[in-house]
Amino acid sequence: ETGVTQSPTHLIKTRGQQVTLRCSSQSGHNTVSWYQQALGQGPQFIFQYYREEENGRGNFPPRFSGLQFPNYSSELNVNALELDDSALYLCASSFPGWETQYFGPGTRLLVL
Amino acid sequence: QKEVEQDPGPLSVPEGAIVSLNCTYSNSAFQYFMWYRQYSRKGPELLMYTYSSGNKEDGRFTAQVDKSSKYISLFIRDSQPSDSATYLCAMSRLGGTSGSRLTFGEGTQLTVNP
Repeated sequence: ETGVTQSPTHLIKTRGQQVTLRCSSQSGHNTVSWYQQALGQGPQFIFQYYREEENGRGNFPPRFSGLQFPNYSSELNVNALELDDSALYLCASSFPGWETQYFGPGTRLLVL
Repeated sequence: QKEVEQDPGPLSVPEGAIVSLNCTYSNSAFQYFMWYRQYSRKGPELLMYTYSSGNKEDGRFTAQVDKSSKYISLFIRDSQPSDSATYLCAMSRLGGTSGSRLTFGEGTQLTVNP
C-alpha cells in the first residue's frame, strides 16, 4: 500500500509569485485535506476535497485554491505569495467513513 | 482564545521515564481525538485515535479522553530516545463518509535523554 506522497519537497519563491503543490492520496482514500504548518505551530486547516469538490474551508483567503482529480490526487495553488506564506504545507488523505487522516511528508515553502 | 490548548514545552526526560502529554479544548462538539507524532522536518504520523471519552492502550502508549473536563492525555511508558519528537493533539467534530477537518494543538516538543 502506497502512502501519501507530496511534491516538491522544497520550494523557494519570491513575493508576488504563484506556486502549485501536488499530493497523491493513499490507496483507497477519496478525501484530501490541506494544512499549513508555520514553524513551531500546529497544522492549520486550509480546505478539504471530496469527490473533486471543495468540502469545507478554513480561515484562508481566496488566493489559496485547490483541485482534486478523478484519481483523488490534489493540487494546492497559492497566488500572490506573501512572506507569511512561508511554511510546511501538508496534505492528508482519509478513508471513506473514517475520521483519521494520514499525512504526507509535506512541502516546505520559503517566500523571499 | 484557541480552541485547543497544548503546552509547547520543551519537555526533557531521562530514558525509561513515564511521559504525560496533555491538551485542553473549549468546543464541546469535538467527538474524535487523535495524537500525532512529528519528527523534525517530517509529516505528522498517527499514533492514537479515540472516539468520545475513555482510555485506549497500544503498546507503550495510552490515550485518555475526559469529555466532562474537556481534557485529553497521552502517556508514554518506558520512554526511549526514539520517542524524541513533537507530539500534536488533534480533534474533529464531524463524522460521515467525507472525512473531517482536524483542529490541532500547538504541539509539545519531547526529548528523551539516554
